[in-house]
Amino acid sequence: DAMVIQNPRYQVTQFGKPVTLSCSQTLNHNVMYWYQQKSSQAPKLLFHYYDKDFNNEADTPDNFQSRRPNTSFCFLDIRSPGLGDAAMYLCATSRVRGGAGELFFGEGSRLTVL
Amino acid sequence: QKEVEQDPGPLSVPEGAIVSLNCTYSNSAFQYFMWYRQYSRKGPELLMYTYSSGNKEDGRFTAQVDKSSKYISLFIRDSQPSDSATYLCAMKDGGGSNYKLTFGKGTLLTVNP
Repeated sequence: DAMVIQNPRYQVTQFGKPVTLSCSQTLNHNVMYWYQQKSSQAPKLLFHYYDKDFNNEADTPDNFQSRRPNTSFCFLDIRSPGLGDAAMYLCATSRVRGGAGELFFGEGSRLTVL
Repeated sequence: QKEVEQDPGPLSVPEGAIVSLNCTYSNSAFQYFMWYRQYSRKGPELLMYTYSSGNKEDGRFTAQVDKSSKYISLFIRDSQPSDSATYLCAMKDGGGSNYKLTFGKGTLLTVNP
């Protein structure tokens, strides 16, 4: 089945130790997104790619970076995780940017910062 | 005032009950309205979306939009234990290239057998 796959599902890191989360998709969608979701909070968009065009949200901390080496893969790099970065990180795709807003989400990567 | 307000619950109902989940919003530019379902420790999945005011039905689920009141609802009939999840409302404006969804915080629903 076509899907969005995130790895790892669970990541534990130490304060300040860099982390990379990965996302792959077999949907061949043009747009890939990274959301941060903290407990009992709404998902918060960090950035998205429209093909190779990177779009950063204005309030996304500089600590967060992303790479999209090809259509299928996207990475979220957290350069120096703080305790406040502990969250579920959700990757999502959409066929078009805009439209009706249908996003396809992966199962998420839960980050714990010690 | 937040753009989207959603009662976080939690909401606990017996199997077979009718469930009503609601969101209010303040941005009159919103034109697309969605409900996502998120099971514990999983990513959200799109349940329903609507474009205009009125009702849209899909099996046991009905989405209702009242743009004049800036209010959307999701009704679940004959609720089942498998409906136990967090339900997130989401919306976006009608701009052709606008990608940004605004989510509610989600309502945690438990359906008890």
